[in-house]
Amino acid sequence: DIVMTPTPLALSVTPGQPASISCKSSQSLLHSDGKTYLHWYLQKPGQPPQLLIYEVSNRFSGVPDRFSGSGSGTDFTLKISRVEAEDVGVYYCMQTIQLPLTFGGGTKVEIK
Amino acid sequence: QVQLVESGGDVVQPGRSLRLSCAASGFTFSSYGMHWVRQAPGKGLEWVASLSYHGSNKYYADSVKGRFTISKDNSKNTLYLQMNSLRVEDTAVYYCAKDSSIAIRCFDNWGQGTLVTVSS
Repeated sequence: DIVMTPTPLALSVTPGQPASISCKSSQSLLHSDGKTYLHWYLQKPGQPPQLLIYEVSNRFSGVPDRFSGSGSGTDFTLKISRVEAEDVGVYYCMQTIQLPLTFGGGTKVEIK
Repeated sequence: QVQLVESGGDVVQPGRSLRLSCAASGFTFSSYGMHWVRQAPGKGLEWVASLSYHGSNKYYADSVKGRFTISKDNSKNTLYLQMNSLRVEDTAVYYCAKDSSIAIRCFDNWGQGTLVTVSS
């Protein structure tokens, strides 16, 4: 199974400041079709997860441009350029290149 | 817009069965893969099962293989999860999710979830 390891597990951020979350996979997520199947989700308190970024760096419809994703192979990063109060929650990375599909354990982001 | 509404969650005893449903609207249900993901109380996300757009290709996590069955009825725009031989460790909120493709690519829309509690 591909293990997804997020760093850090928790983050406290001042509004307006940047934040960065990393995710490392135990195997490369680069498919032979040239795509990398790493996605980022945010689960706000009391809500279901919502897709933020798909295939490393593509923002999903309606996601603010303060969110960006980068990385390749086994190392990936989600960045928030200026954190807002509505960004609190748990951020999950997920791989869909290989079964079983696996999620990272999550990074909890709170506002200072 | 895409809507996914789960139902069927309940409190059941270990060893019993339960069927979850996910009513879909706002997209062509027959053209997309669909998934079930669960979240135990206070825990992270765990993939449970997936199936392709036509329902023929099905995939399961080892933890549910042989006990759970995913299916879809394209005429009713509904996804199902038949859960047999339930265990205490199956207690979780179960989410259905739509894929962005005909099979497995990324989960682009999620329902609100339905709670399954397995307890004696």
